[in-house]
Amino acid sequence: DAMVIQNPRYQVTQFGKPVTLSCSQTLNHNVMYWYQQKSSQAPKLLFHYYDKDFNNEADTPDNFQSRRPNTSFCFLDIRSPGLGDAAMYLCATSSDRAFTDTQYFGPGTRLTVL
Amino acid sequence: GENVGLHLPTLSVQEGDNSIINCAYSNSASDYFIWYKQESGKGPQFIIDIRSNMDKRQGQRVTVLLNKTVKHLSLQIAATQPGDSAVYFCAELKQGAQKLVFGQGTRLTINP
Repeated sequence: DAMVIQNPRYQVTQFGKPVTLSCSQTLNHNVMYWYQQKSSQAPKLLFHYYDKDFNNEADTPDNFQSRRPNTSFCFLDIRSPGLGDAAMYLCATSSDRAFTDTQYFGPGTRLTVL
Repeated sequence: GENVGLHLPTLSVQEGDNSIINCAYSNSASDYFIWYKQESGKGPQFIIDIRSNMDKRQGQRVTVLLNKTVKHLSLQIAATQPGDSAVYFCAELKQGAQKLVFGQGTRLTINP
């Protein structure tokens, strides 16, 4: 009964080759988030959607894009991955517009860049 | 500046003992706090939360204490078990803000 699902769990790509990571949720939550987490560090927010409204963090590189075609799915596109983009990518959801509700995380996708 | 941080990056305890993981924050406007547990290779898992109108909340084997006077948050784990080994993050949500602010994380290891 997984609630936040991420695919694939492990992704290997080549330097500069575009890659897309997928997240889906069964919670019908309004808000979906993408985080980047590097080894031994806290998750770092890249951007989030409230419904279809996209909110980018100021320090998120242009190389990172996101799409949310419907409530259940959200994608992270990395247009030209660099070696520094190797990380765990976490998707999370929450229900509350006031952002005072718990965020539920998926298992993450581990991205390796060769 | 605004900061949510943990006092110790690592904590080692004996199996069966109680664990206390600490977190400090600097923004008195924060009104919601969450503790997450992250096991190796997995996403953060919600453990327990507390709102600023409370100073204590208990779950199963876990207790969160909030001291707003000194801007301090702690997670207490009773009778620590090997399965409690993980990195624990506190996270802060500020009223009106749109994102969680995560602390540095504390790695909890259990000695047999």
